[in-house]
Amino acid sequence: SQTIHQWPATLVQPVGSPLSLECTVEGTSNPNLYWYRQAAGRGLQLLFYSVGIGQISSEVPQNLSASRPQDRQFILSSKKLLLSDSGFYLCAWGRSLNPRQYFGPGTRLTVT
Amino acid sequence: GNSVTQMEGPVTLSEEAFLTINCTYTATGYPSLFWYVQYPGEGLQLLLKATKADDKGSNKGFEATYRKETTSFHLEKGSVQVSDSAVYFCALFAQGGSEKLVFGKGMKLTVNP
Repeated sequence: SQTIHQWPATLVQPVGSPLSLECTVEGTSNPNLYWYRQAAGRGLQLLFYSVGIGQISSEVPQNLSASRPQDRQFILSSKKLLLSDSGFYLCAWGRSLNPRQYFGPGTRLTVT
Repeated sequence: GNSVTQMEGPVTLSEEAFLTINCTYTATGYPSLFWYVQYPGEGLQLLLKATKADDKGSNKGFEATYRKETTSFHLEKGSVQVSDSAVYFCALFAQGGSEKLVFGKGMKLTVNP
């Protein structure tokens, strides 16, 4: 069966520090991968998605970036965090032409 | 473009009350429609789905019917439980478009005993 992992589960970082969140999927190959952010009162916002290694589509211009160095690994990064980057970050995977997505447990990021 | 509009809440109900969460959509063609649920501190889980007009999705006592004439996919449950306390998201997937779901803003439901 397929599983999706995210780490860390929680993170507290000062403003201006770098960020690296990791997401890995097991039990499947060539998945579509997604990063979402859930900020208080703002619902679920798609940040990036990838349909293959090295292929990243950005939905929202901001100081975050994403990379997919391996087929089942998706990384969300920032060089300098802002207070507004606080939120709950969710990774998800899916299949091309199949609308269902499977979500990871999330990372709670607090920027202080 | 494609979009989903849903009740945002928050909503507080007593146990055994009837629940309706409204969801309407705008999309070209014939999208698939979904309800996802997020329990406290967790990621999202698929609750139910419908892929064509007049389909009814159901799971855990929840139901939603794909109404093309009103572009709606309202979620209902006849008798809510404390364990239904969660955030509920309506979403659509438009065939032939990019490989992504379009979500509503979510509605937080709290059920009190």
